[in-house]
Amino acid sequence: AQTVTQSQPEMSVQEAETVTLSCTYDTSESDYYLFWYKQPPSRQMILVIRQEAYKQQNATENRFSVNFQKAAKSFSLKISDSQLGDAAMYFCAYRNGHSGNTPLVFGKGTRLSVIA
Amino acid sequence: KAGVTQTPRYLIKTRGQQVTLSCSPISGHRSVSWYQQTPGQGLQFLFEYFSETQRNKGNFPGRFSGRQFSNSRSEMNVSTLELGDSALYLCASSLASGGNPDTQYFGPGTRLTVL
Repeated sequence: AQTVTQSQPEMSVQEAETVTLSCTYDTSESDYYLFWYKQPPSRQMILVIRQEAYKQQNATENRFSVNFQKAAKSFSLKISDSQLGDAAMYFCAYRNGHSGNTPLVFGKGTRLSVIA
Repeated sequence: KAGVTQTPRYLIKTRGQQVTLSCSPISGHRSVSWYQQTPGQGLQFLFEYFSETQRNKGNFPGRFSGRQFSNSRSEMNVSTLELGDSALYLCASSLASGGNPDTQYFGPGTRLTVL
């Protein structure tokens, strides 16, 4: 079974600074998708970024970018120019790419605090 | 386009009762998945429905069940509630239009408290 590990339960960053959240995963599959979701105190899970395993280029979405290291099974999220609104729980998630009905497997999450 | 909606947002029940939660997916989305979120276990997959059929099921007891209607709206039911069922129940929808896994978009969740 696939597993996702987020080794940092909590992180903090100064406003306008850069922070990197770590995620590693374990799978024997070659075709899969990786995601970062953000869950603010309102509890709504919001998609931050998505990466297809077959793509070598790292995904970016505005201030959010990933460092995808397929051989190392590592998928870290970098948040640049951190803002107060970035404070939330961040979940790394994996999804098998073989068929359309595979569920997301989540890590335990990293709570990010942004200090003004 | 409206996002995923879930009703009710909050629910308080007592042990032994049953509960039904509802999820309306994004318009055009045909797949609905349910997840349970607790502080101890994190996010765990319950089941997924597509075209009114359950395609995948997580490792939960039979007390947890669901269904999907022809308009893609989905309900999940928990019978004989236990204290451990207290959790945030999240619904996610996706297009599921092709063979590749689509991105799942989540609703705000239903907070269930079992007393």
